[in-house]
Amino acid sequence: TQLLEQSPQFLSIQEGENLTVYCNSSSVFSSLQWYRQEPGEGPVLLVTVVTGGEVKKLKRLTFQFGDARKDSSLHITAAQPGDTGLYLCAGTEGSQGNLIFGKGTKLSVKP
Amino acid sequence: GAGVSQSPRYKVAKRGQDVALRCDPISGHVSLFWYQQALGQGPEFLTYFQNEAQLDKSGLPSDRFFAERPEGSVSTLKIQRTQQEDSAVYLCASSSDRVQGREQFFGPGTRLTVL
Repeated sequence: TQLLEQSPQFLSIQEGENLTVYCNSSSVFSSLQWYRQEPGEGPVLLVTVVTGGEVKKLKRLTFQFGDARKDSSLHITAAQPGDTGLYLCAGTEGSQGNLIFGKGTKLSVKP
Repeated sequence: GAGVSQSPRYKVAKRGQDVALRCDPISGHVSLFWYQQALGQGPEFLTYFQNEAQLDKSGLPSDRFFAERPEGSVSTLKIQRTQQEDSAVYLCASSSDRVQGREQFFGPGTRLTVL
């Protein structure tokens, strides 16, 4: 079974700071997805990265897929309290489409 | 409805009771997935349906767990003789097809607490 390790597990920062969350694996993934989950809700997809070295931007969020397709990062610029939540990376296993999730990074942005 | 719905949202069961968790996927979505999310953890895959066919149940933790989707739409996850370690949030997700990278839309989950 492929595993995804996320770091840090917890992150508490002040509004306006920048941060980076990492997602690493020893296995190659055909694609990686980043989700954000709020308490009492299911994960919501932020982005899917497919090509090694790919960089995608979503407003203040920048996602990067490693060249070898084993790792990914999420960078948030000028974090806002509304960014607070659990950030999950997930890879697709085999040809079935079921997702392998990391344990998540719990982000808290204080005003 | 517009999204994936799950019911009940919360379920408290005494150890040994049977429970049934319902998932209503987005209309027309072929693929349906069940995940289990323990406190402080990421979701873990349980089982996968393509229409009414259960194509993968490798993630079900024991034979007390059973899932069905008889008409290819609504799905039910049943847990027999619940144990305390079954306490978790059970998430259902649906997707328009099984192509890799296709977005899965998640429901809000059912939080199961076994006393």
